[in-house]
Order: sequence, then C-alpha cells, then structure tokens
Amino acid sequence: EAQVTQNPRYLITVTGKKLTVTCSQNMNHEYMSWYRQDPGLGLRQIYYSMNVEVTDKGDVPEGYKVSRKEKRNFPLILESPSPNQTSLYFCASRGSGTDTQYFGPGTRLTVL
Amino acid sequence: SQQGEEDPQALSIQEGENATMNCSYKTSINNLQWYRQNSGRGLVHLILIRSNEREKHSGRLRVTLDTSKKSSSLLITASRAADTASYFCVRSSSGTYKYIFGTGTRLKVLA
Repeated sequence: EAQVTQNPRYLITVTGKKLTVTCSQNMNHEYMSWYRQDPGLGLRQIYYSMNVEVTDKGDVPEGYKVSRKEKRNFPLILESPSPNQTSLYFCASRGSGTDTQYFGPGTRLTVL
Repeated sequence: SQQGEEDPQALSIQEGENATMNCSYKTSINNLQWYRQNSGRGLVHLILIRSNEREKHSGRLRVTLDTSKKSSSLLITASRAADTASYFCVRSSSGTYKYIFGTGTRLKVLA
C-alpha cells in the first residue's frame, strides 16, 4: 500500500531534550516536506526536500533541522525543543511533475 | 502573512444541501489545490486547478478559480454526513517548491 508513515504518533517531552520524528514514504517520491499545524493557523511549511541531499527552508524553519540521506526518509529533528513547538506535525511527499501531496497521519508533540 | 484566507471559518448545513467555501490569496499562483482533513488526521487531496483553468469538476466537487480576484471556491453538492471535515486551499507558485495553506473551513453536515 502506498503510504507515508510517521513515528512516533504521539510524544510528550520536556524542554531541551533532543528528539527526532521520523518520516518514510514507499512511493519513490522525490519531494518531501514537513508541516506544523496550529489552531487557527492552518498548516505551515517547516522544511522541504527536492531530492536526496537537497533541502530548503519553508516558512517556519526556526528550531528545526532536517536531513535527506535516503530518498524514502526525511526525519525532522528538534535539537532543543521549546513549548512553542508544541504542535501537530505532518510529513508529506509527492512525485516529480505533480503538486499532489500524500500526507502522513501526523505526530502530536507536546513540549513541557 | 502569505497564508490564504478561507471563509467561512465554520459552516454547518443539513445533509443534502450544498456547501460552498472560499479561498483568497495575495500572490500569483501556478495552481491551487483543495485538501480535506478529518478531525486531526492527515490531509487528503481532493482536486487541483491550474492557473489557466476557470472551473473543474470531480464527482460532487466543483472548483472555480478567478485569478483576477485572486480567489477560488469549492462547492460540494448534495452533502453527506461523511463530508464533515476541515477543507484547506493550498497554493503553489511557479519556480518554487513551497506550498501555502489557507486557514481552513470547518464543515459540519448534520444528518
């Protein structure tokens, strides 16, 4: 089944404790992206990757890092999480030549 | 803000009625898409309309695009309880890899 998976689905952590949210897709998509969703603000793009080893900032990259060492994986790293990063996070991917994105199920992160 | 604005923010209708939601944006676009999100879950793509198109249909969905007014509308005809969800417009601009989401319309269809 074609899908985007994220892990973990739920995470409660404390300020300053480094964490990684994994994202993996099995559709051989070139493009992958991370979004955060906050009430009343819709989804905002954090980082995206056009292909392996090619990443760029979205609209809200502060406090986040990403890497794209393999085509299928695009982890989101919070080196020193803060409470304002409490949010619902989505990973998405799409193939080249299309703008239709496939979304993962989301990761609900709470930073205390 | 670059985000698109959608209205209404919330809409409640009876099953069988039509639902219309609107999206406005500020900069030129390559295309505009609509996605549906069920209660905090992942988003599902509904329909895409290109900047040179004015109207597009897919099943019970009808999307219009007016680039002169920088606005789009999504019409869901003969709504069902299962259409209850949040709907987002998403735009992309040519030459960029960024996607800008609207703030969403929460639709509730009452059985």
